[in-house]
Amino acid sequence: AQKVTQAQTEISVVEKEDVTLDCVYETRDTTYYLFWYKQPPSGELVFLIRRNSFDEQNEISGRYSWNFQKSTSSFNFTITASQVVDSAVYFCALRENRDDKIIFGKGTRLHILP
Amino acid sequence: GAGVSQTPSNKVTEKGKYVELRCDPISGHTALYWYRQSLGQGPEFLIYFQGTGAADDSGLPNDRFFAVRPEGSVSTLKIQRTERGDSAVYLCASKWDLNTEAFFGQGTRLTVV
Repeated sequence: AQKVTQAQTEISVVEKEDVTLDCVYETRDTTYYLFWYKQPPSGELVFLIRRNSFDEQNEISGRYSWNFQKSTSSFNFTITASQVVDSAVYFCALRENRDDKIIFGKGTRLHILP
Repeated sequence: GAGVSQTPSNKVTEKGKYVELRCDPISGHTALYWYRQSLGQGPEFLIYFQGTGAADDSGLPNDRFFAVRPEGSVSTLKIQRTERGDSAVYLCASKWDLNTEAFFGQGTRLTVV
């Protein structure tokens, strides 16, 4: 069965610190897709990244970076030099190739303190 | 519109009543999803449409929940005989096809009193 675990329920860091959000997934498929979404207080889910199971290359986009490791079934997300505007709930998600539903983790609430 | 639009943004209803929640997807998007998000939880899959047909309705919790998309665009999620446990934010998302990203609306917050 497919499952996404975000063990960190809530994290608080001081502005400008780096922070890493953990994500561990379970799937029996060899082809799958991993996602990160941001949910600010407005409630809308904002897409951040999609990664397929055949591409383990780490990705960097500005202050955001993602570390995908199939050996440990992890897809961690790091924010460098955090800013108050990064405060939100972040969801990791998984879609197996066999169907089209996205399974979300329970989310990590991130507080960036000024 | 530019994004996925959901109406109403908030709905308060009495236990036992019938409600309809509407989703206007991004123009041209063939795939449409409904998710439910309870407080402190991640979004939970309900149903997925490809065009007019429900490709996967395995997430609908029971037969009080039903969704339609008659013309392959706007979708309506219908809940009969609402219960307090149905209170949640109902999210809609749409996308072009299987290999593109889904865009979410801001949701409808349903409160059953």
